Amino acid sequence: DADVTQTPRNRITKTGKRIMLECSQTKGHDRMYWYRQDPGLGLRLIYYSFDVKDINKGEISDGYSVSRQAQAKFSLSLESAIPNQTALYFCASARGGRVEDTQYFGPGTRLTVL
Amino acid sequence: AQTVTQSQPEMSVQEAETVTLSCTYDTSESNYYLFWYKQPPSRQMILVIRQEAYKQQNATENRFSVNFQKAAKSFSLKISDSQLGDTAMYFCAFMKQDSNSGYALNFGKGTSLLVTP
Repeated sequence: DADVTQTPRNRITKTGKRIMLECSQTKGHDRMYWYRQDPGLGLRLIYYSFDVKDINKGEISDGYSVSRQAQAKFSLSLESAIPNQTALYFCASARGGRVEDTQYFGPGTRLTVL
Repeated sequence: AQTVTQSQPEMSVQEAETVTLSCTYDTSESNYYLFWYKQPPSRQMILVIRQEAYKQQNATENRFSVNFQKAAKSFSLKISDSQLGDTAMYFCAFMKQDSNSGYALNFGKGTSLLVTP
């Protein structure tokens, strides 16, 4: 199974602060994703990337930016955090080349914006 | 856009019994994939089972099986011989076979399953 790690696991911050959530995977996967989970809403896609030169917006990208620093690293930034960005954030990765390749999720980052 | 509906926000089942979680979806695609993910209290997202839409045969993984009705756009999950460790939130998810969608997962809102002794 893919080893997908996320840091930090939990973060409390204040409105207006810049926050970066980091994701790394050790299996050489090409595809990486950021999802957001809110209670009662399931997970929604923020951004995805097929390789370091390919970044695409998802359903709810407003207020977020991403950086694919390397094949293994995909960071999510909140330039100026606001309270309605309080949520559980998941990174996922998948091997490229086959549509059916399973997405493996990291443990999640719980972000609270006060 | 695809929508995934899980109509049961919460369910409970006794240990060793069988439970079925419902999922319906709306799409105009003919080729796609469907998934059930489990999220226990640890919050880790764990793949339970996957179904390719072009396959008639229902997927099975040990105690977990699906009833895939393509015409009805229904994809239910059956858990047999329920165990306490099955207590979790279960998410149904849809994936288009289309690179323009990023092969991203489109999730339902989830069903919280409680297995009681």
